[in-house]
Amino acid sequence: DGGITQSPKYLFRKEGQNVTLSCEQNLNHDAMYWYRQDPGQGLRLIYYSQIVNDFQKGDIAEGYSVSREKKESFPLTVTSAQKNPTAFYLCASQRGQGYNSPLHFGNGTRLTVT
Amino acid sequence: EDQVTQSPEALRLQEGESSSLNCSYTVSGLRGLFWYRQDPGKGPEFLFTLYSAGEEKEKERLKATLTKKESFLHITAPKPEDSATYLCAVQAYEIDGQNFVFGPGTRLSVLP
Repeated sequence: DGGITQSPKYLFRKEGQNVTLSCEQNLNHDAMYWYRQDPGQGLRLIYYSQIVNDFQKGDIAEGYSVSREKKESFPLTVTSAQKNPTAFYLCASQRGQGYNSPLHFGNGTRLTVT
Repeated sequence: EDQVTQSPEALRLQEGESSSLNCSYTVSGLRGLFWYRQDPGKGPEFLFTLYSAGEEKEKERLKATLTKKESFLHITAPKPEDSATYLCAVQAYEIDGQNFVFGPGTRLSVLP
C-alpha cells in the first residue's frame, strides 16, 4: 500500500540538541510539506518542496532546516535555534505541482524537548 | 487576520443526532476547499475537495457543501466512530506557492 511514513512516532530530546525527523513517501508525489500542529491552532507550514533539490520556507521556518535529495524523502531538522520545538509534526505529500489536489499526511512525530 | 475559521470549536452529539460543522474563509479566488478528519495522535485523513460554490460531496454519513464564503460538513445520524477532529483547509490564488491555510478544527464527540 502506498503512503507516507514518519518516524519515530515519539521523540524526546534535551534542550540545545538538534534532532531530525524522517519522512518517506512511496506515492510518487512531487511535492512534500512539513507542518507543525499545536493545540487550538491550525496546521502551520514550516517548509515545502515541489521538486528534488529545491525547497521553500513556509510561515514558521525559523529554527528548522530541510533537504530534498530524493523524491521519496524530505527530512526535517529541528535545530537548537527553534525557541519552542515541542509540538506534533506532520509530513504531507501532494500529487503534482499544480493546485487542487489534496495533501496526504503521515501519522506524525510528537517531539518533546525538555 | 484569520483566513479560515471553524465553528463550533467543540461539539457533543448523541448517537443519531444530526448536525453541521462550519468552515468560513476570507480569501478570494478560491482554488479548492478541503475537509479532513483527524483522530487523536494520527495525521489528518482526506475526506473531500470542493472547488466551486454550489458543489456538494457525500461519503457515508458525511456531506460537504460550499458557498462563496463558507463550507458546511453535515453529519447525518452520527455514530460514536465519527468522533474526531474535523479540519478544513483552503487554497487560493492570493496564497503564496503551495500553501494551504488550515482552520483550527472542530472537535466532535458522538456519545452512544
